[in-house]
Order: sequence, then structure tokens, then C-alpha cells
Amino acid sequence: GAVVSQHPSWVICKSGTSVKIECRSLDFQATTMFWYRQFPKQSLMLMATSNEGSKATYEQGVEKDKFLINHASLTLSTLTVTSAHPEDSSFYICSARPFTTNTGELFFGEGSRLTVL
Amino acid sequence: GENVEQHPSTLSVQEGDSAVIKCTYSDSASNYFPWYKQELGKRPQLIIDIRSNVGEKKDQRIAVTLNKTAKHFSLHITETQPEDSAVYFCAASKVNFNKFYFGSGTKLNVKP
Repeated sequence: GAVVSQHPSWVICKSGTSVKIECRSLDFQATTMFWYRQFPKQSLMLMATSNEGSKATYEQGVEKDKFLINHASLTLSTLTVTSAHPEDSSFYICSARPFTTNTGELFFGEGSRLTVL
Repeated sequence: GENVEQHPSTLSVQEGDSAVIKCTYSDSASNYFPWYKQELGKRPQLIIDIRSNVGEKKDQRIAVTLNKTAKHFSLHITETQPEDSAVYFCAASKVNFNKFYFGSGTKLNVKP
């Protein structure tokens, strides 16, 4: 099946610094990628939809200036957590689907565990 | 946006028994409903999906039912096995697949 790779898998940073997380589709092209935040009690919360060549669309309540998303190519989307604070500590996971298919199957990255000290 | 609710949050069954997980959605325009399984430490993977033009779909021990009028859909696992233990997520999307909203997850424990 299709493969999505996410990097880094875990990162620890100091409060006030910025952290970039990359999401790559390794063997397919994706015009759209999705960023989720997975909370300790399991839920996958959609943060934003990353659109290749245009601005991301953010869900209500998600600060676009804090969670910067860039989708510069058909295989790469990045999420930058700016001026990170301890409450931003979480598990961030991306997903994508090949734009050439008519199925809805999403392929997920392995996730990135962010810890802000 | 869409609101997907999932119940129960945890489910424990004896091996061989059936398990049922239920989800409701709020947006009547949603018409694609996948189910994902996430094993411990692994990424979610699609196990079955259903589109709104059908009411039921089966794949071996797994089945999904959809009631469009009531806006709810369910996952049924029969003859459960220990390897079915995982977190299961339901989701809702529209035909253009431009957004996917997930339920809060159900942790299924199958006791041998």
C-alpha cells in the first residue's frame, strides 16, 4: 500500500521555540494532506487540511498563526508549531490519500510526539 | 463542521463473542464512512468503509451498517480474536474526500 513518512517521530523543545514536523508521501502524490492531533484519550482531532500550492484550511479553534502549514510540493507538507508552550505537547499525526484514486482510504504517518518543556 | 460521536470508549469481550461499536454524525451531507484500526504503537489502518448508497457491507468477520435517516453507523466484529484488540476509529467524510472527521475511538480488549 501507499506509504506516508513523518519526521521527526519525537521531539523535545524548550518553551518559546518553534518545531517543524514533516509529512511525506513516499510513493504517491497528494494534493491534500491532513494534520491531526491525537489526545491521550485516543481521539483524532482534525487540525487543518493542507492544500498543495495554496493556503491550508484550519478547523475552528485552531490558531493558524501558531500552527503554520506549508504544502510546497505534491509529496511534502510541513507543520510548524511556533512559540511552543507545554500545552502544545501532544501527538501529531498526518495523513494523505493518492489524488489519482477514487477511494477514500487515508494513509497515516507514524506520528510525531512533541514534548514542550 | 461535522461532529462524529463514538461509543463506547472502551469495550471488553471474551474471545469468540461479538463486538459492536456505534457512531453518529451530524452533517447529513456526509456520505462516506470508514473505520480504522490502530494497534498499540502503530498507525491507523483502514479496515472497512461504506458509502451512503448502501446500508450494509461485510468483509469476513467484519461488517458495517449505515442508517442514513438516523445518521448513525456501526461496526460489527464477530468471532472476536485476541488480535482484534486495538483502538477503533469511525470517521465521516463527503464524496470529494476533502475532510475526514474522526470519532473519539473505542479501545477493544478481547480476552482469551
